Amino acid sequence: EAAVTQSPRNKVAVTGGKVTLSCNQTNNHNNMYWYRQDTGHGLRLIHYSYGAGSTEKGDIPDGYKASRPSQENFSLILELATPSQTSVYFCASGDLTGGRSYEQYFGPGTRLTVL
Amino acid sequence: GQQVQQSPASLVLQEGENAELQCNFSSTATRLQWFYQHPGGRLVSLFYNPSGTKHTGRLTSTTVTNERRSSLHISSSQTTDSGTYFCAIDPNTNKVVFGTGTRLQVLP
Repeated sequence: EAAVTQSPRNKVAVTGGKVTLSCNQTNNHNNMYWYRQDTGHGLRLIHYSYGAGSTEKGDIPDGYKASRPSQENFSLILELATPSQTSVYFCASGDLTGGRSYEQYFGPGTRLTVL
Repeated sequence: GQQVQQSPASLVLQEGENAELQCNFSSTATRLQWFYQHPGGRLVSLFYNPSGTKHTGRLTSTTVTNERRSSLHISSSQTTDSGTYFCAIDPNTNKVVFGTGTRLQVLP
């Protein structure tokens, strides 16, 4: 069973504080993703990675940094958290080798509240 | 950017009824997937279906790539089918784009 875990599951932060969301996958997938989910927007891609050492900007990267120190781990960093970043954040890993099976496995989500 | 439109936005059914969910997208080069999000938030992949028809249990997905559309058919719906259904495309850029989802409620 493919596995993606996230920590913490819930986080309350103060405006201007630094927040790090962590994601770990045991699927040996090259690709990992961070999304946020807000009512009325579905899931929006923040950052993604093709492998260890790589990070790419998604559709809404402003205010976020990402780090992929290893195949298994992908972090999302909010250097200066703002209330507009209050959301549910999902991490995913995926096998996107072209032409073959393409699947994404999602973590359980992290609920972040910035006060 | 790439657009993914889903309809209807929400749907209420009586248990046993069938459902047809639609997804239209702006790119012809897609790696289309359907996802289900549990009411508690967990997301699971239902289908990878870039073209043609796939079945699993009571679910059928049909994608017509050159018409830029896909559908998800749920037959004999059950209360446990309640949740939100998303389609997502990857237009060969590895940037997966999600639709805004169809919220399904199946009443007993």
